[in-house]
Amino acid sequence: DGGITQSPKYLFRKEGQNVTLSCEQNLNHDAMYWYRQDPGQGLRLIYYSQIVNDFQKGDIAEGYSVSREKKESFPLTVTSAQKNPTAFYLCASSVRQGRTDNEQFFGPGTRLTVL
Amino acid sequence: QKEVEQNSGPLSVPEGAIASLNCTYSDRGSQSFFWYRQYSGKSPELIMSIYSNGDKEDGRFTAQLNKASQYVSLLIRDSQPSDSATYLCAVASGSARQLTFGSGTQLTVLP
Repeated sequence: DGGITQSPKYLFRKEGQNVTLSCEQNLNHDAMYWYRQDPGQGLRLIYYSQIVNDFQKGDIAEGYSVSREKKESFPLTVTSAQKNPTAFYLCASSVRQGRTDNEQFFGPGTRLTVL
Repeated sequence: QKEVEQNSGPLSVPEGAIASLNCTYSDRGSQSFFWYRQYSGKSPELIMSIYSNGDKEDGRFTAQLNKASQYVSLLIRDSQPSDSATYLCAVASGSARQLTFGSGTQLTVLP
């Protein structure tokens, strides 16, 4: 089955800890994205990557870091510098960024709670 | 600052009726427009995409785009209780075709 997987589904973090959220896709998509969703709000872009070993900051990158060492994988680290990390984190991928038909498909999400 | 505005709702329609969801956007240069459905606690699911002015139909769903008015809408015909969800409008603009999302409209279809 082709798709996007995220793990874990739920994650609890103590203040001051860094945590890493996993995102893997087997769709052979070039572009991958991380979004954050807060209750009652739309999605906000954290980071995106168009190709391996390259990534760009989105609208709310402060307190987050990413890597793209493999085409299939785009992990997100939520650092202790992120002041309000409790949110629903969504990973997405698309065939290639820059196309008019840049349809993005989402993984199931990781719900992060800071204790 | 690119903005995408949606009526937050909630919007309630009886089963079998037409549900009409609306979205306006600020960037006149936007090229691509998408509707996602998001059930409570789940991730968004792409249901429609539209790239040129006019209507695009897919089953019970019709997307309508008017670039001059910077307006995109989604019609759901013969609404079913299973259509109850939050519908997110997303607009792509710029060379990277980055998506800007609206805050969503919550739809409830009453049996």
